[in-house]
Amino acid sequence: QVQLVQSGAEVKKPGASVKVSCKASGYTFTDSYMHWVRQAPGQGLEWLGRINPNSGATNYAKKFQGRVTVTRDTSTRTAFMELSRLRSDDTAIYYCARASYDGLDVWGQGTTVTVSS
Amino acid sequence: QAGLAQPPSVSKGLTQTATLTCTGNSNNVGNQGASWLQQHQGHPPRLLSYKNNNRPSGISERFSASRSGNTASLTITGLQPEDEADYYCSSWDSSLSARVFGGGTKLTVL
Repeated sequence: QVQLVQSGAEVKKPGASVKVSCKASGYTFTDSYMHWVRQAPGQGLEWLGRINPNSGATNYAKKFQGRVTVTRDTSTRTAFMELSRLRSDDTAIYYCARASYDGLDVWGQGTTVTVSS
Repeated sequence: QAGLAQPPSVSKGLTQTATLTCTGNSNNVGNQGASWLQQHQGHPPRLLSYKNNNRPSGISERFSASRSGNTASLTITGLQPEDEADYYCSSWDSSLSARVFGGGTKLTVL
């Protein structure tokens, strides 16, 4: 079945970087964009960016440009999201999600990133 | 980054019908359509509909979506206790080249 499995929880200090992975299975990895979305505690969904796994082309939310980098490794069917210069308000659950037609139809289980000194 | 507008909360009785709204503009909902996601506490979101009224397999026919101009709607008929959740709309914004989300609507089934 189609599945996205993300890396485990992270605890980081302010100013550090975090890199979250998302391994895809059950479909052709290069056929669908991969998006990254985060959810702060008690808050709504916030889009960070996406990657075309076939070409490697990316789009980022203006708010995160310069701080977020989305990459992929087609040999391992894995997408990555790196967020730098972490602040306390970056504490959130980070999700990867596959795009299909015009919806995000498969989601990873989420990776909790805690930023604390 | 401009998001989509959703009412923060809606409350309806068991077996009643709830209609949730999502307002954007001509760069997103009006041109690209909208998708809807359901999220229960402690779980990832789940796609309910895409391209205004297409349901992924396994999604109940009690969920139907529509769009009129820049406003998308999700109608849930025969409300059940398990429908109590947060609902988010989403669209691609062609001017921002970015995906945008609504702030979410908390649906309470009384």
